[in-house]
Amino acid sequence: QKEVEQNSGPLSVPEGAIASLNCTYSDRGSQSFFWYRQYSGKSPELIMSIYSNGDKEDGRFTAQLNKASQYVSLLIRDSQPSDSATYLCAVGRVGGGADGLTFGKGTHLIIQP
Amino acid sequence: DTEVTQTPKHLVMGMTNKKSLKCEQHMGHRAMYWYKQKAKKPPELMFVYSYEKLSINESVPSRFSPECPNSSLLNLHLHALQPEDSALYLCASSQNFEQYFGPGTRLTVT
Repeated sequence: QKEVEQNSGPLSVPEGAIASLNCTYSDRGSQSFFWYRQYSGKSPELIMSIYSNGDKEDGRFTAQLNKASQYVSLLIRDSQPSDSATYLCAVGRVGGGADGLTFGKGTHLIIQP
Repeated sequence: DTEVTQTPKHLVMGMTNKKSLKCEQHMGHRAMYWYKQKAKKPPELMFVYSYEKLSINESVPSRFSPECPNSSLLNLHLHALQPEDSALYLCASSQNFEQYFGPGTRLTVT
C-alpha cells in the first residue's frame, strides 16, 4: 500500500516569512517527487519536481528530498498572500505512463498579510 | 507550453444519462491519465494510457469507460452513474515523470 502523509493544517504564516511544508512516503521504490499547488475550485498546478537527494531551488521555492528518511519538504521564501492554497505532495515509481501518482491529502497554507 | 484542455467545464447528468468527458493535449506527451477528486480530498488515479494503450485501471467501476482515440485525445464515457460519483474529474499528461493537469470537469450526478 503506497501512502503519502502530510499535515493537513491549516498552516498559518505571516507575509514575508518562510513557509515549510513536509511530506513522508511509505514506498521505498518511489523515484519521483512533486509538489502541486491547488487553489480552491481549481486543478493542481505543478510547482516543483525532485528526483535525487538534496535541495532543488526554483525562485522562491526550494524542494528537499531525503530518500533514506523517506521525507520530502517544500520551503517557500518571502511568502505572499497569493501563496495561500493547498499544497499537495505527490510521489511516483516510474514515469512515461507506467505509473500514476499517489497524492498526500494536502496542507492548507494561509499567508497572513 | 504545458496546456491540457478539458471539456465540458461543468456537467450535470441524471443517473440514466450517458455522457462523455474529453481531454486534449498537443505537447506530444506519450501518457495520459484520468484522476477523480472529491471535495477536500486528494486526486485519485483512475486510468493510465501509455502510447494510446490502457496500461493501468485502478479497479474503477465499469460505468466509467475510458477511450484513447489518438495520442492527443482522451475520453471518459459515463453511463448509469451514482450521486457519489459527483466530483472533479482531472485529466493529466506526461512525457516522462512530470504530470500536467487540465482544468478539470466538475461533474454533478442527480
